[in-house]
Amino acid sequence: AQSVTQLDSHVSVSEGTPVLLRCNYSSSYSPSLFWYVQHPNKGLQLLLKYTSAATLVKGINGFEAEFKKSETSFHLTKPSAHMSDAAEYFCVVSGLKAAGNKLTFGGGTRVLVKP
Amino acid sequence: EPEVTQTPSHQVTQMGQEVILRCVPISNHLYFYWYRQILGQKVEFLVSFYNNEISEKSEIFDDQFSVERPDGSNFTLKIRSTKLEDSAMYFCASSEEGQGYEKLFFGSGTQLSVL
Repeated sequence: AQSVTQLDSHVSVSEGTPVLLRCNYSSSYSPSLFWYVQHPNKGLQLLLKYTSAATLVKGINGFEAEFKKSETSFHLTKPSAHMSDAAEYFCVVSGLKAAGNKLTFGGGTRVLVKP
Repeated sequence: EPEVTQTPSHQVTQMGQEVILRCVPISNHLYFYWYRQILGQKVEFLVSFYNNEISEKSEIFDDQFSVERPDGSNFTLKIRSTKLEDSAMYFCASSEEGQGYEKLFFGSGTQLSVL
């Protein structure tokens, strides 16, 4: 079984300041972890993924995430927020191929960027 | 970048009516999925589909739901007799393989409203 908890439903930051979105996961095997972003009226877009290679993963648009097995965390960060980062972000864990590649989503974190 | 397209973007139907949600996955992809998000809740897995059959389905995917790949390009989700609780955003996704760690491409969703 697997689950994902996003610790903040809403995060508000000022443009140019760092962004931190927190995610904790639970999985009975070595997980693959993802962050997806959804802008209004758009599909879910992959930001980055962790698949048991480097624990610090760099993604698109300046985002990165660090896999910490001891803390079962996969927090997403960006050093300087941009207005275009306002969106909803989902932390996701992937199931096994034998389980149909099922993704389990966190509840989402809505990011507001203030000018 | 290639896209998954979903039609319609909004669908309103009366309770008890049949609806068909349509998706065109990315052309060289082999694995197809439906997810849904009820307002205020997490994105939930419904079903995965490979080689013209269901790979896995969730508890939500009962006898009222069916999926089909009627030709080489479309992937449809049918709800035979809609209920109020079927109101949600439905996302289609596709991937090249079903290894559990590669990228799923999501469409922008169909908002289904059952009245």
